[in-house]
Amino acid sequence: SQQGEEDPQALSIQEGENATMNCSYKTSINNLQWYRQNSGRGLVHLILIRSNEREKHSGRLRVTLDTSKKSSSLLITASRAADTASYFCATVQNFAGGTSYGKLTFGQGTILTVHP
Amino acid sequence: EAGVAQSPRYKIIEKRQSVAFWCNPISGHATLYWYQQILGQGPKLLIQFQNNGVVDDSQLPKDRFSAERLKGVDSTLKIQPAKLEDSAVYLCASRSILALGNEQFFGPGTRLTVL
Repeated sequence: SQQGEEDPQALSIQEGENATMNCSYKTSINNLQWYRQNSGRGLVHLILIRSNEREKHSGRLRVTLDTSKKSSSLLITASRAADTASYFCATVQNFAGGTSYGKLTFGQGTILTVHP
Repeated sequence: EAGVAQSPRYKIIEKRQSVAFWCNPISGHATLYWYQQILGQGPKLLIQFQNNGVVDDSQLPKDRFSAERLKGVDSTLKIQPAKLEDSAVYLCASRSILALGNEQFFGPGTRLTVL
């Protein structure tokens, strides 16, 4: 079953604008990850945020996590045409004792189109 | 470092035929995953191996799908017999046991079309 639900399903912006994608999930998590998928490079890991973190940055990416609302957002600043891709959030659940077997559960994805 | 290799990249078969996919993970990665990604959806985990043992195969349709990872390196995923709804991209991923957060590295996938 899909754990994460991304919103919006599709996003179209102009180069230079910021893009924000949201993800909601249902169960307690160990961490949440964002992946990008395009035809050229396949599925690529972008950034990981742990359940005890609230915000994380990596280059032009900013991820936030609100465990009380079971939601996360991915912000891409100063977007480029090369950012055109599908973006997926994926969660890793906690199991008894706080350990994780590392199983990723993906959402449906947001299709981002950046126009030059 | 070399990435995750998969073959073939594309496969077209008729329903009720059999098909097999091959995956070679990143050297030294003990954990290997097979995912199914239907068009318009996110990847869904089919099976997870730790070395040559199965950790999770709860979403593998065992009446028609099988997977093995002999010697804890390469892996094959087989479908026998295929159904129309098996049309999807099959992704292989691997992870180092040293990766605390479970970052996974994905192969290019095999696009299966069942006619």
